[in-house]
Amino acid sequence: AQKVTQAQTEISVVEKEDVTLDCVYETRDTTYYLFWYKQPPSGELVFLIRRNSFDEQNEISGRYSWNFQKSTSSFNFTITASQVVDSAVYFCALIKAGGSYIPTFGRGTSLIVHP
Amino acid sequence: EAQVTQNPRYLITVTGKKLTVTCSQNMNHEYMSWYRQDPGLGLRQIYYSMNVEVTDKGDVPEGYKVSRKEKRNFPLILESPSPNQTSLYFCASSISGQGNYGYTFGSGTRLTVV
Repeated sequence: AQKVTQAQTEISVVEKEDVTLDCVYETRDTTYYLFWYKQPPSGELVFLIRRNSFDEQNEISGRYSWNFQKSTSSFNFTITASQVVDSAVYFCALIKAGGSYIPTFGRGTSLIVHP
Repeated sequence: EAQVTQNPRYLITVTGKKLTVTCSQNMNHEYMSWYRQDPGLGLRQIYYSMNVEVTDKGDVPEGYKVSRKEKRNFPLILESPSPNQTSLYFCASSISGQGNYGYTFGSGTRLTVV
């Protein structure tokens, strides 16, 4: 069975601080995909990134960066110089590649960025 | 604009009164799915569909029905809603269900069953 753990229920930071959201996963599959989604207060779910299990390169997109480490089954998300607009709930998700069709989501981490 | 459209955004209903939440996508995606989001539980998949007339159960299908008669539409049906189905519901679509393309989500439907 797959499992995604986001141990941090809520994180509170002050603007301009760096913050890392943790995601640890469990799977017996060798090929899988990992995702991060953002859910701002308005409620919609916004796709941020997809990473496949064969690609352990870290990725940077503006102030966002992701650290995928297969050895520790982690896919952590860092926001550099956080802004109030980053306040949202962030979900990490996992899906087996090639035919599972049912993703497993973590319970989400609520990030609050204070001005 | 490529999008997934859900209606209604908010719905309050009474126990036992059948309701349908509509979902439509304009991206010609084969894969569509429904999720419910509950506090502390994240998102859990209710049903998914690989294509027209092909549907299957997700993790929490009890009390729900779906249909996929057209590629663009994937309605969620609650034949006899109960208070434990009070939740935030999301419809999503993807080019394929195999995860490699990610999902586009609708704006959500907040359902309250009293």
